[in-house]
Amino acid sequence: NAGVTQTPKFQVLKTGQSMTLQCAQDMNHNSMYWYRQDPGMGLRLIYYSASEGTTDKGEVPNGYNVSRLNKREFSLRLESAAPSQTSVYFCASSESLSLGYGYTFGSGTRLTVV
Amino acid sequence: EDKVVQSPLSLVVHEGDTVTLNCSYEVTNFRSLLWYKQEKKAPTFLFMLTSSGIEKKSGRLSSILDKKELFSILNITATQTGDSAVYLCAVVVSGGGADGLTFGKGTHLIIQP
Repeated sequence: NAGVTQTPKFQVLKTGQSMTLQCAQDMNHNSMYWYRQDPGMGLRLIYYSASEGTTDKGEVPNGYNVSRLNKREFSLRLESAAPSQTSVYFCASSESLSLGYGYTFGSGTRLTVV
Repeated sequence: EDKVVQSPLSLVVHEGDTVTLNCSYEVTNFRSLLWYKQEKKAPTFLFMLTSSGIEKKSGRLSSILDKKELFSILNITATQTGDSAVYLCAVVVSGGGADGLTFGKGTHLIIQP
């Protein structure tokens, strides 16, 4: 029962480097999301994909891009990392919030930009 | 702008105590409210509340929603050290174009033996 799998779990980048965070879910969920969590700020939505083939900006999209590769996979790309992007990133998926199960979260990626 | 406010931000109690965590919200087109527990890693789902006055219960945890006064509470009775975590409240809105949750900043609960 893998659920939502995120890779990598930890990453250190230098300012200006690029990287892609990978996320895959095996629950046949339609919707997928990327959040960042910073101390004192709670979880903030970066991008989401309501269904395969669609993506939309969330609350804090600047500096990020996403790709919904297929129904299972939703990646988050940092083209030119900045120290302000140091955070813990969570991917999540949901079939339908109206069903009462909420989201299933991945275990997170701790990213440090130096 | 949608807003979710949790209180207290942190709380330290002794094992066996009962705690009440609060979540108030100001959103347009409210659909539902969710509670999550976050220990070291990913948040795990606790409850979803959509109707006022109907208590949801799971073991020692319970939660209720008041849509008139725009708040929810999460109760934990007979607390144990394993209840130590950050408890997150989140609100789902409909029709806003963003099928996502607006989270509060969380309540950091510490249970001392």
